[in-house]
Amino acid sequence: KAGVTQTPRYLIKTRGQQVTLSCSPISGHRSVSWYQQTPGQGLQFLFEYFSETQRNKGNFPGRFSGRQFSNSRSEMNVSTLELGDSALYLCASSKNSGGSGGYGYTFGSGTRLTVV
Amino acid sequence: AQTVTQSQPEMSVQEAETVTLSCTYDTSESDYYLFWYKQPPSRQMILVIRQEAYKQQNATENRFSVNFQKAAKSFSLKISDSQLGDAAMYFCAYRSFTGANSKLTFGKGITLSVRP
Repeated sequence: KAGVTQTPRYLIKTRGQQVTLSCSPISGHRSVSWYQQTPGQGLQFLFEYFSETQRNKGNFPGRFSGRQFSNSRSEMNVSTLELGDSALYLCASSKNSGGSGGYGYTFGSGTRLTVV
Repeated sequence: AQTVTQSQPEMSVQEAETVTLSCTYDTSESDYYLFWYKQPPSRQMILVIRQEAYKQQNATENRFSVNFQKAAKSFSLKISDSQLGDAAMYFCAYRSFTGANSKLTFGKGITLSVRP
C-alpha cells in the first residue's frame, strides 16, 4: 500500500514569492495534518484537515493556509515568503481526525523549502 | 497548554548495548497518548511505540519498550540490543485523548548515534 506522498521534495523560492506544497495521504485516510520542522523551533503544528474541513489550527500567521480536496489530497500555501519560512514541511495522514484514536499518524518524507 | 521536554540533545550507544532516551511532559489532562517517533536521514517520521495514559502497563514493541511514570509525567524509551539502523533522531510526542485537540506536540528531539 502506498505511503504518504509529498511533492516536491525540494523547493527553492525567493523572498516575497508564494509556494504551494502537496500531500497525498494513504488511500482511505481522510485526515491530513501539516507540521513545520526547523532546527530552532523543532516540530510545530500548522493545521489539520478532515473531510475538506479545517479541524484544528496552530499558531501561525495568516500567510499559511491550506485546503483539502474531495479525494483527501491536501495542499498548503505560504504567501509572501520570508527567510524564516525555510523549513522541512511534513504532512501526516490518519483514517480519522486526531490520529485514529491514538494509533498515531503516518508521515510523509516532507518538502524541504529554502527561501533565499 | 501541553509541553514536551527532551533535555538530552545527543546520545551515543555501542552496538548491541542498551540505551534509554528521556522525555518529560506537562499536562493538566488525565487521559492522553504518548508516542516515540524516529526520524532517520530519509526525513520520514516513523512511529516507534505508543502508550495510552489510562493503561498502567508499559508498552513494548520488540526491542523497544517504554517506562511510563504518569505521576512523574515521565516517558522514557529503552532500546535494547542497539543496531546500526537505530541511529536517527528520536522525538517524544503528546496527543490529547479528545479528538477536538488533535495535534501532536513534540519535544525538541534527541540525536542517537550507534557505534559499531
